[in-house]
Formats: sequence, C-alpha cells, structure tokens
Amino acid sequence: AQSVTQLGSHVSVSEGALVLLRCNYSSSVPPYLFWYVQYPNQGLQLLLKYTSAATLVKGINGFEAEFKKSETSFHLTKPSAHMSDAAEYFCAVSTTGTASKLTFGTGTRLQVTL
Amino acid sequence: NAGVTQTPKFQVLKTGQSMTLQCAQDMNHNSMYWYRQDPGMGLRLIYYSASEGTTDKGEVPNGYNVSRLNKREFSLRLESAAPSQTSVYFCASSGGPLNQPQHFGDGTRLSIL
Repeated sequence: AQSVTQLGSHVSVSEGALVLLRCNYSSSVPPYLFWYVQYPNQGLQLLLKYTSAATLVKGINGFEAEFKKSETSFHLTKPSAHMSDAAEYFCAVSTTGTASKLTFGTGTRLQVTL
Repeated sequence: NAGVTQTPKFQVLKTGQSMTLQCAQDMNHNSMYWYRQDPGMGLRLIYYSASEGTTDKGEVPNGYNVSRLNKREFSLRLESAAPSQTSVYFCASSGGPLNQPQHFGDGTRLSIL
C-alpha cells in the first residue's frame, strides 16, 4: 500500500527566505507524486507533479520539487517566500489502477512572516 | 471555465437527517472522487468512480452512498447524518490515467448537530 508522510504540520519562514516542505513516500511500485496547495476556504490546486520524466520538477508560483528514489522523498522548495505563499500544502501519491486514486499526506501549513 | 462545481457550499443538519451533496464537472473527465477533509488528517477518499456506470469504496465509505448519474455528475448521499460526519467534503475529477492530476471543487462545509 502507498503512503505519504509530511514532516512538520506547521512551518514558519520569513518573507524572502527559503521554503522547504518535506514529503516522504512509501510505494511498492514506481510512484506518481503530486504537490497541491490549498488557500483558505478553497479547494486544492495542483502545484506540480512527478511522472518519471525528470527528477527535478518545476511547478507554478516558483515552486519546484526533486524526486529522490534513494531517500523516497519528494520535498517541495521555493528560493524566496512571498506573503502570498501562506497556505496549506499537501503531498500525494497516486496508486495503481484505472482511477488515479490519491493518498494524501496530512498537510503542512506554511506561515510567512515579515 | 467552471471546472468542478459543488453544491451546496454550506449546510447544517441535525443528527439523523439525510442529505445529498452534488458535484458536476465540465472537463469531460472519466473519473470522479469524493473526499472528506478533517483537521490534521489530510484528505481521505470516501468513494470514487473510475468511469460512468462504476463506483467503488475508498478508505472511509461507511455512512455514505454515491451515484454516478452520468459522465458529468457524481453525488454523495448521507442517509442518516451523524456528528462524526461533520467535515469539509471535496469532489474531484481526473482524466483517468495515473499521471493525470485531479481537479478539485471548492468544497461543501457540512455541520451536523
């Protein structure tokens, strides 16, 4: 069975600082991995996805993530945080089958301070 | 460009009442999903429909039923609501293959007293 662990339920960074949100996965088959962002009172929006084409994946809003098979990790980074990045971030792994069922991590709330 | 539309956005029920949450997508997607989101637990899959005419249980199906009415619409029904079902419910859809992302609606915030 697939699973996802997000380390740190809350992360606080200063505006302009590096953002690092951690995600580790467990999968018995090559995974498809996703990062989603959720702003208050909204649904989830796709930030980026890993589908085995390249280990470094670039997404929207300046975010990127690197797939490291040896570490079973897919950490999300952004070089310089903006106030508008404050949101909750979810890592997810896709299971096999005809439907792209996702298993989500428990989420990391990012706070950006002045 | 509506994407995934959920109705209603908010609802308060009393224990034992029934309710149907509606979801419609206009992206011609084959697969649709219902999740619930609770604090500290991420999103958990309730039911999904891989294609029109099929439905399957997810991680937390107890107390819920679903209907894939047609390719566009996928409804979630609570037959006898319980306080433990107080949650935010999200509908999503995807094109189907493993590497296609899911697109989410804005959610239904449901409180059961």
